[in-house]
Amino acid sequence: DSGVTQTPKHLITATGQRVTLRCSPRSGDLSVYWYQQSLDQGLQFLIQYYNGEERAKGNILERFSAQQFPDLHSELNLSSLELGDSALYFCASSPRRAGFTGELFFGEGSRLTVL
Amino acid sequence: GNSVTQMEGPVTLSEEAFLTINCTYTATGYPSLFWYVQYPGEGLQLLLKATKADDKGSNKGFEATYRKETTSFHLEKGSVQVSDSAVYFCALILMDTGRRALTFGSGTRLQVQP
Repeated sequence: DSGVTQTPKHLITATGQRVTLRCSPRSGDLSVYWYQQSLDQGLQFLIQYYNGEERAKGNILERFSAQQFPDLHSELNLSSLELGDSALYFCASSPRRAGFTGELFFGEGSRLTVL
Repeated sequence: GNSVTQMEGPVTLSEEAFLTINCTYTATGYPSLFWYVQYPGEGLQLLLKATKADDKGSNKGFEATYRKETTSFHLEKGSVQVSDSAVYFCALILMDTGRRALTFGSGTRLQVQP
């Protein structure tokens, strides 16, 4: 158990819909990362937050957005869903800057299926 | 930009066989290198890491050496077990930048048969 909690574990929805994925980082970790894992694209970095502020953006679509709340949990919002958005979405966390060794702690992922 | 290239899988081996999974990287600076493993139905977890040239990371019988001259970080294990069946990801990070996100390779699936 990594200590990172993601909900829901599975989600099935239709094209055009909007979903929210939730992540609770390890206790004490300030950074949250979102990754998308699909069969054809591999593991793609989407976005990083540090203590409530956006820190880095990767290959995140404009239809997607995220935020990190004062209690440090994070949400990834996916809207106007398309079939190609079907994937496993991982959240990861890491310690504060001074304690960062490069290791990320991953949740078990949220599997999104768009029909 | 930064990128990681891994050998395509799946790699299928018999138990006790020798394993090599190739990984090469491209980076604008001096990255730290990692191998992560993803067991079925689970998230990724760190297997080993190396932070500078010629460092050797090791864990659970797996080893990888940071080769700056060949920009490589190949994963090896002398004798694989069925329980090693998983997807292995090579990754890098540039620690001296504000961006602390790992760049991953595409992953290599290992299947070990009894």
